[in-house]
Amino acid sequence: AQSVTQPDIHITVSEGASLELRCNYSYGATPYLFWYVQSPGQGLQLLLKYFSGDTLVQGIKGFEAEFKRSQSSFNLRKPSVHWSDAAEYFCAVGEGAQKLVFGQGTRLTINP
Amino acid sequence: ETGVTQTPRHLVMGMTNKKSLKCEQHLGHNAMYWYKQSAKKPLELMFVYNFKEQTENNSVPSRFSPECPNSSHLFLHLHTLQPEDSALYLCASSQANDWGETQYFGPGTRLLVL
Repeated sequence: AQSVTQPDIHITVSEGASLELRCNYSYGATPYLFWYVQSPGQGLQLLLKYFSGDTLVQGIKGFEAEFKRSQSSFNLRKPSVHWSDAAEYFCAVGEGAQKLVFGQGTRLTINP
Repeated sequence: ETGVTQTPRHLVMGMTNKKSLKCEQHLGHNAMYWYKQSAKKPLELMFVYNFKEQTENNSVPSRFSPECPNSSHLFLHLHTLQPEDSALYLCASSQANDWGETQYFGPGTRLLVL
């Protein structure tokens, strides 16, 4: 069965600093991979997704993620965070686009 | 209205009550989903509907009863719930079988069972 691990439950970075959120998955074939963000009181918003092709994926709000098959990872990065990036971030994996398995989430706090 | 809407946004109910959650998508999609988001647990897929037909039931207790009368509306009927059912219930929709199919989420209904 597929699974997703987000090792960091909570991360704090300073505004303007770079960010990397880790995601490791367990799945036999090439997975569909997603990163979603959830602000307080809101639903999930898609940041980016990987289905195939270029392993470096660009998303909205300046985020990118890199699929590394050898490491079973799909880490999310941003070169310079803004206070508005404070939220909870979820990595998800699926054998297709419908049966998604989500990670526990990483809560991001931004220091001014 | 745009995107995926859910009503009510907050709900408090007793264990003997019957209530329903409503989801409506304004995106022209043909697949809809219910998820449960509990504190300290990953988001859990509950049900999937494709073209109004249920295609996934992720071992959900029968006290949760979904209904999908058309591709735009999805309901979750609740009866004799337990306190551990308190959670955020999220609805999502997608365009089934599209390349790059992506789920779009509503804001959720925060449910408290007393």
